[in-house]
Amino acid sequence: DAKTTQPNSMESNEEEPVHLPCNHSTISGTDYIHWYRQLPSQGPEYVIHGLTSNVNNRMASLAIAEDRKSSTLILHRATLRDAAVYYCILASGNTPLVFGKGTRLSVIA
Amino acid sequence: EPEVTQTPSHQVTQMGQEVILRCVPISNHLYFYWYRQILGQKVEFLVSFYNNEISEKSEIFDDQFSVERPDGSNFTLKIRSTKLEDSAMYFCASSLETVLSYEQYFGPGTRLTVT
Repeated sequence: DAKTTQPNSMESNEEEPVHLPCNHSTISGTDYIHWYRQLPSQGPEYVIHGLTSNVNNRMASLAIAEDRKSSTLILHRATLRDAAVYYCILASGNTPLVFGKGTRLSVIA
Repeated sequence: EPEVTQTPSHQVTQMGQEVILRCVPISNHLYFYWYRQILGQKVEFLVSFYNNEISEKSEIFDDQFSVERPDGSNFTLKIRSTKLEDSAMYFCASSLETVLSYEQYFGPGTRLTVT
């Protein structure tokens, strides 16, 4: 079973920032925090991952708590194309990804 | 940008028939995976493949399933005798071999319908 806890759904207005939370209180020292998303009728898509420090890429930012028991995915300006299910996943090395139910993000125009 | 491709996009088969789902991973990737997603449910891991052998498999991946890398580019999933409950989206994924971490790149999926 997934080792993370996420809200079932969230809503955002277009062009507003979105903060998607994830709790992972049982994270181990070797676990990386990964975020994937799945747009409707598509395969999962890698978003970002990190270990301890905050990370930025062209898609999003990842803020990791100092104790690593929680993290937040930040979409700086939500667009309609960001409407998707977002998955927070702990993984180390090349272990298989364990998907939970994720957070369904709705973006309102 | 390199991407994982899968064929066919949709496969309809009768119960008891064999199906082969095909994937072309990203060319310099070394780890390959199959996942499936039954309609309305979570994405589930089936099998991972590295260095020409299965490295890990889930309990879903029973004797009816097999994987193969028949040449340097294709990665296939075979279901020997399909059942109604095999109806799902099947996603192939690949990743680089890294010591510390990795990201997996997923294909668009094959929708398998067993009638």
